[in-house]
Amino acid sequence: QVQLVESGGGLVKPGGSLRLSCAASGFTFSDYYMSWIRQAPGKGLEWVSYISSSSSYTNYADSVKGRFTISRDNAKNSLYLQMNSLRAEDTAVYYCARGVVGGPPDYWGQGTLVTVSS
Amino acid sequence: DIQMTQSPSSLSASVGDRVTITCRASQGIRNDLGWYQQKPGKAPKRLIYAASSLQSGVPSRFSGSGSGTEFTLTISSLQPEDFATYYCLQHNSYPALTFGGGTKVEIK
Repeated sequence: QVQLVESGGGLVKPGGSLRLSCAASGFTFSDYYMSWIRQAPGKGLEWVSYISSSSSYTNYADSVKGRFTISRDNAKNSLYLQMNSLRAEDTAVYYCARGVVGGPPDYWGQGTLVTVSS
Repeated sequence: DIQMTQSPSSLSASVGDRVTITCRASQGIRNDLGWYQQKPGKAPKRLIYAASSLQSGVPSRFSGSGSGTEFTLTISSLQPEDFATYYCLQHNSYPALTFGGGTKVEIK
């Protein structure tokens, strides 16, 4: 069955960096585009970033552009999010989600919490 | 950017009630819309895609309708396990996605 497992969250000071990982299993990872989506405590969902199946194309929300970098390693069935210059407003649960061509993401991981605080 | 306006933001209903949630897009998005259910502490679960197609394994009491700018999620007979927060998501502006603000369905 499809599984997505995020890791790498934690407490970091403003201005700091963190790298999130998402381990995929149960499907051919290299066939799918992937997204990161976040949810601030008690708030709604916000799309963060996208990467195509071959890594040839990436896209970012304006709120993270220039600070976050999405990448993937298809040989390792893994998705990453490098987060730099973190701000308090980046505090959220970060989910990785499997993309579907022509449709909304179908499978999501359980999420990893990132807290940016001094 | 496409904005998604979801209403109501919360509602109280009883088991057995018919519940309707609406999402309005700021511009036409064809049928490029999905609906998700999220329970506390859990990841969102996809219920509907292509505005009206039921995700495999989702009970038939859930249905979606609409096209263009107006979309509806209906729960025909609310069950105890349906109390949750529901979100619409547009993917017309792929790869950028936009979510509605969410609707919390609570027990009356």
